[in-house]
Amino acid sequence: NAGVTQTPKFQVLKTGQSMTLQCAQDMNHNSMYWYRQDPGMGLRLIYYSASEGTTDKGEVPNGYNVSRLNKREFSLRLESAAPSQTSVYFCASSNTRSGNTIYFGEGSWLTVV
Amino acid sequence: GENVEQHPSTLSVQEGDSAVIKCTYSDSASNYFPWYKQELGKRPQLIIDIRSNVGEKKDQRIAVTLNKTAKHFSLHITETQPEDSAVYFCAASWAEGGKLIFGQGTELSVKP
Repeated sequence: NAGVTQTPKFQVLKTGQSMTLQCAQDMNHNSMYWYRQDPGMGLRLIYYSASEGTTDKGEVPNGYNVSRLNKREFSLRLESAAPSQTSVYFCASSNTRSGNTIYFGEGSWLTVV
Repeated sequence: GENVEQHPSTLSVQEGDSAVIKCTYSDSASNYFPWYKQELGKRPQLIIDIRSNVGEKKDQRIAVTLNKTAKHFSLHITETQPEDSAVYFCAASWAEGGKLIFGQGTELSVKP
């Protein structure tokens, strides 16, 4: 049981390049999330998906797109990376029926130069 | 939308002392309040949570209190140990399966 798995773990991008962060969970959770973590800013929600087929904006959605491919997978895309998107990205999931306990992946360290 | 404020941003205590971290939230509809611990380079992990129908919850050396009227909740760690050193985050949510909004984090340092 791997829990929440996200790839890649580390990535360096040039300004303007695009990339997709992949996330998959094997806990049969309905809800999935993408957060970014910056020093002194805590964890800020980028996008979330309360169920397969739905996605909603979080606190900081600008510059990102998401796809809930199926119940297991939730990807985050940066269409044109900017240095301000240098951050640690965490994918997470939760089982709505158990009351919002969120489980995080190991994180993806992204640097945009 | 929901806003969660967390204080202090850093906290240093001597081993064996108690540590208290406080959070306030803005949306009175919030009904779920978890606390996460994050060690350096690791993912956040749930350590304790409380729901709006409960005023206090304890788990060994960790306790959380909730004051719905004042819209604040606190994490209490007693008999602190060096391994308690980490960043702690509070969060609030108001719907089943809904999004969690996090506070800014508190870096706790426990000195031997």
